[in-house]
Amino acid sequence: DTQMTQSPSYVSASVGDRVTITCRASQSVNNWIAWFQQKPGKAPKLLIYAAHILQSGVPSRFSGSGSGTDFTLTISSLQPEDFATYYCQQANSFPHTFGQGTKLEIK
Amino acid sequence: EVQLVESGGGLVQPGGSLRLSCAASGFSLSNFDMHWVRQVTGKGLEWVAALNTDGDTHYQDSVKGRFTISREIAKNSFYLQMNRLSAADTAVYYCARRYHYDTWGQGALVTVSS
Repeated sequence: DTQMTQSPSYVSASVGDRVTITCRASQSVNNWIAWFQQKPGKAPKLLIYAAHILQSGVPSRFSGSGSGTDFTLTISSLQPEDFATYYCQQANSFPHTFGQGTKLEIK
Repeated sequence: EVQLVESGGGLVQPGGSLRLSCAASGFSLSNFDMHWVRQVTGKGLEWVAALNTDGDTHYQDSVKGRFTISREIAKNSFYLQMNRLSAADTAVYYCARRYHYDTWGQGALVTVSS
């Protein structure tokens, strides 16, 4: 199985800050990586897929980068609605696996 | 509008069975891979099972032999039959669409307890 190690587990930031979350796969995932945002009591929401493609309707302050085993989600200027938990996921091989999550909280 | 709506969650005793349903609207299930993902309250996301457009199925090791994923094209619905349930299966179960999970249902809570 491909393990996804996400860091940090927790980040405290302010509105307007730039935030970066990283995800490392235990083996190459051929860029089949997605990033999701989840708010309490809600289903996850797709932000980025295929490592860098912005899902329709997602603000352009979200971006994804990386290749092979190392990937990054960047939020360029935090907005109040961005405080949530973020997950990476690989869909290159079964079982599809998620990172453990990064909780983004207001400083 | 593309939408997924789960139903069938509830309380079940250990060793019991439950079938979750995921009704699709705004698209045809036959054209897309579909997945089940679960989440224990306060914990992370865990992929459970997938059904691709060719009818091939894949399962998380912990549910293999106990859970069965299927679809009914005429009803545009997708199912997860869960047998021999244990407390470890207690979670919110989500259905999701496509290889990149672009659409999710609202979730169905399954509680396994005596």
